[in-house]
Amino acid sequence: ILNVEQSPQSLHVQEGDSTNFTCSFPSSNFYALHWYRWETAKSPEALFVMTLNGDEKKKGRISATLNTKEGYSYLYIKGSQPEDSATYLCAFETTTISNFGNEKLTFGTGTRLTIIP
Amino acid sequence: KAGVTQTPRYLIKTRGQQVTLSCSPISGHRSVSWYQQTPGQGLQFLFEYFSETQRNKGNFPGRFSGRQFSNSRSEMNVSTLELGDSALYLCASSLWQGQETQYFGPGTRLLVL
Repeated sequence: ILNVEQSPQSLHVQEGDSTNFTCSFPSSNFYALHWYRWETAKSPEALFVMTLNGDEKKKGRISATLNTKEGYSYLYIKGSQPEDSATYLCAFETTTISNFGNEKLTFGTGTRLTIIP
Repeated sequence: KAGVTQTPRYLIKTRGQQVTLSCSPISGHRSVSWYQQTPGQGLQFLFEYFSETQRNKGNFPGRFSGRQFSNSRSEMNVSTLELGDSALYLCASSLWQGQETQYFGPGTRLLVL
């Protein structure tokens, strides 16, 4: 069973502040690391798919970095806004394919972010 | 382009019954994956279909099965329902397998009484 951990579990941030959180994943059999934003009563929304060590991706005020050698990724949000309130999920995609009993995507339990106006 | 659709959105069943959930992927997407979300477990991978073939399967009992049709639409079936099967079932589609952005549907919320 693959272990994907996210920290912190929850976070309250003042509007306008910047914040970041962590996703830790196995450093072997790495294929991709996915980040999603999941707002209440909506579908998870893809933010990034990261595949190369050292990758940095950016989408507006949100950016992410990837370190596959040590098995972690950071998600950064600059100048938090109320609409950033959501649960942020990361998911580890393994190279092990077509093996029954193996997860294709293993999700962390998420970081629940609340922006305080 | 229409997003991923799932039907039904809500479902109430009793123990021992079976249920079939449906997922229509984004047009042109060939990979469909299914996930179960429960409060204690988070999102758990059920299986993935690509070109009508099951390519990956998560650690779920044989009561959980699925299939994919030639138009990439997918169905998931759960037989002999148990209380613990109460969950949100999400499907996600992507263009191809591997390293691809997955687009999620709104989910089917199943309650087993």
